[in-house]
Amino acid sequence: GAGVSQSPRYKVAKRGQDVALRCDPISGHVSLFWYQQALGQGPEFLTYFQNEAQLDKSGLPSDRFFAERPEGSVSTLKIQRTQQEDSAVYLCASKEGEKLFFGSGTQLSVL
Amino acid sequence: KNQVEQSPQSLIILEGKNCTLQCNYTVSPFSNLRWYKQDTGRGPVSLTIMTFSENTKSNGRYTATLDADTKQSSLHITASQLSDSASYICVVSAAGGSYIPTFGRGTSLIVHP
Repeated sequence: GAGVSQSPRYKVAKRGQDVALRCDPISGHVSLFWYQQALGQGPEFLTYFQNEAQLDKSGLPSDRFFAERPEGSVSTLKIQRTQQEDSAVYLCASKEGEKLFFGSGTQLSVL
Repeated sequence: KNQVEQSPQSLIILEGKNCTLQCNYTVSPFSNLRWYKQDTGRGPVSLTIMTFSENTKSNGRYTATLDADTKQSSLHITASQLSDSASYICVVSAAGGSYIPTFGRGTSLIVHP
């Protein structure tokens, strides 16, 4: 596709359940970011990949959050033992030059 | 610490009116500033980019300004349309190898008919 694709679009999880969120970046984009966006707030940085290397994971809120990009293209954000405070939209973006291209996000609701 | 502050937090205007959104930043050394538009349920989309040497840049009814001395930017929307209802996010990137841009919290704009 022409843009960044994220799936699922919506995810409802019971507290304590593990979830996996997928991001397909624009083909050829080396840089990939994950952001967490709470309702009414701007995106908050979670982690950054350059190809398959995770260069920065300083924004991950706890060790329940884990991200990978094993072949330098598709990335997965995994959240273990989900908590209600994890409810948010998770945005993925790939970068060309200084411009970020965002997916539509995965809206995660933890009940 | 690099920060981006946006004002107002929210704004309601009537269709056809103009409005101006503000962005103040402390990111240093400065590389560029982008304004993004985020429609409800969608990811942000870039509207315009401002570099150090640019004072004004237009994209249709959107005009962005940059004052690098005072570290302020504005986004002016002319003759607003219902489709302008969205969140507008100011994003500032630092020079010198920092790859993580700093996001503002956004201004929520509602255009009423």
